[in-house]
Amino acid sequence: AQRVTQPEKLLSVFKGAPVELKCNYSYSGSPELFWYVQYSRQRLQLLLRHISRESIKGFTADLNKGETSFHLKKPFAQEEDSAMYYCALRHTDKLIFGTGTRLQVFP
Amino acid sequence: EAGVTQFPSHSVIEKGQTVTLRCDPISGHDNLYWYRRVMGKEIKFLLHFVKESKQDESGMPNNRFLAERTGGTYSTLKVQPAELEDSGVYFCASSYSGGQPQHFGDGTRLSIL
Repeated sequence: AQRVTQPEKLLSVFKGAPVELKCNYSYSGSPELFWYVQYSRQRLQLLLRHISRESIKGFTADLNKGETSFHLKKPFAQEEDSAMYYCALRHTDKLIFGTGTRLQVFP
Repeated sequence: EAGVTQFPSHSVIEKGQTVTLRCDPISGHDNLYWYRRVMGKEIKFLLHFVKESKQDESGMPNNRFLAERTGGTYSTLKVQPAELEDSGVYFCASSYSGGQPQHFGDGTRLSIL
């Protein structure tokens, strides 16, 4: 069955610290993975997708098929990165989401 | 470009009543999706329209939920009669094609008393 797992509900770091938000998936076939972010009082928005292999707002994510992971990383967290982060997998056009991780960046 | 808009932003109704949620996708987007997040759970897919046709409605929880997209523009999601477990945030998303990223609306927070 297709599934996305985000093991951490909450991740708290200080400004300037490295951040890694974990995402593991279960999927038979070639997966297409995304990270969505929801800032306070804003809508869910696409942060990045693995096929683009780009860095957005300093975040990167690499698909590791051997470990079935798509962890989101940023070397130096900023206070404005505080938000809910959702990992998602596309399956037949629909998105399958993880439960999300709340990132809190303290000054 | 106007984003995906949803109405209302919040609805509070009593168990047994009927509620209709509306979603206006981004202009030109043929694909429209409904998702919902119930308390403490992940965001789950409900259904997918391509223009006015239901492409996939495998996520609809039961026959109390009815989604329509007449004319292939805006969509409505009606819950009749509403039950307590229907409380949650209902999201709408749209995309130009099935392979393109989905753009989400602000969501409708539905509270059933």
